[in-house]
Amino acid sequence: EVQLVESGGGLVKAGGSLRLSCTASGFTLSDYTMDWVRQAPGKGLEWVSSISSRYTYIYYADSVKGRFTISRDAAKNSVYLQLNSLGAEDTALYYCARKYISDHDFEAFDLWGQGTMVTVSS
Amino acid sequence: AIQVTQSPSSLTASVGDRVTITCRASQGIRKELGWYQQIPGKAPKVLIYGASSLQSGVPSRFSGSGSGKEFTLTISSLEPEDFATYFCLQDYSYPYTFGQGTKLEIK
Repeated sequence: EVQLVESGGGLVKAGGSLRLSCTASGFTLSDYTMDWVRQAPGKGLEWVSSISSRYTYIYYADSVKGRFTISRDAAKNSVYLQLNSLGAEDTALYYCARKYISDHDFEAFDLWGQGTMVTVSS
Repeated sequence: AIQVTQSPSSLTASVGDRVTITCRASQGIRKELGWYQQIPGKAPKVLIYGASSLQSGVPSRFSGSGSGKEFTLTISSLEPEDFATYFCLQDYSYPYTFGQGTKLEIK
């Protein structure tokens, strides 16, 4: 089955760190650009970070730049998000998503994981 | 960063109604906008990409249009399973930005 499974979320104190993992099954994750998107409780979606298939580029939202680090490991068919210096504003459900690129170079997040919850306590 | 303004924030409609949701970008983004549906407790699901391309497996009652700064998602005849929250996403340039969401509720 083609799927993404996130893990690594939990309860952490403000200023703490977590490492989120996203592991793919049913396809080769290293063939795709992968992104992280988060959703605070009861709120909308916020794009967080992107890493291209060959590490050609990495991008971050301004809200996490300098604190979060995205990476990938082809051997483990996984992508990661290291979260440092966490604050209450980082409390959210974190999704990883696969980027599909069409024949006309349009993009879409065509596969999402179920999300992993990060809760930052003060 | 490109701002995306989505409207309305909520919408009440009946099964069989035609509904339209709009997203406006703060600058031109060609056709690089997608629409996503999110059912409570579930991950988002792509409906439309490239402003008007229907994702495989998505019913044809969903359609998208627009280019440049203004985009619309239309559901031609609402089904019970369509009551959800809808988001647009500009993927023209980083940082990507989502619209604020439209919660579609049943009348």
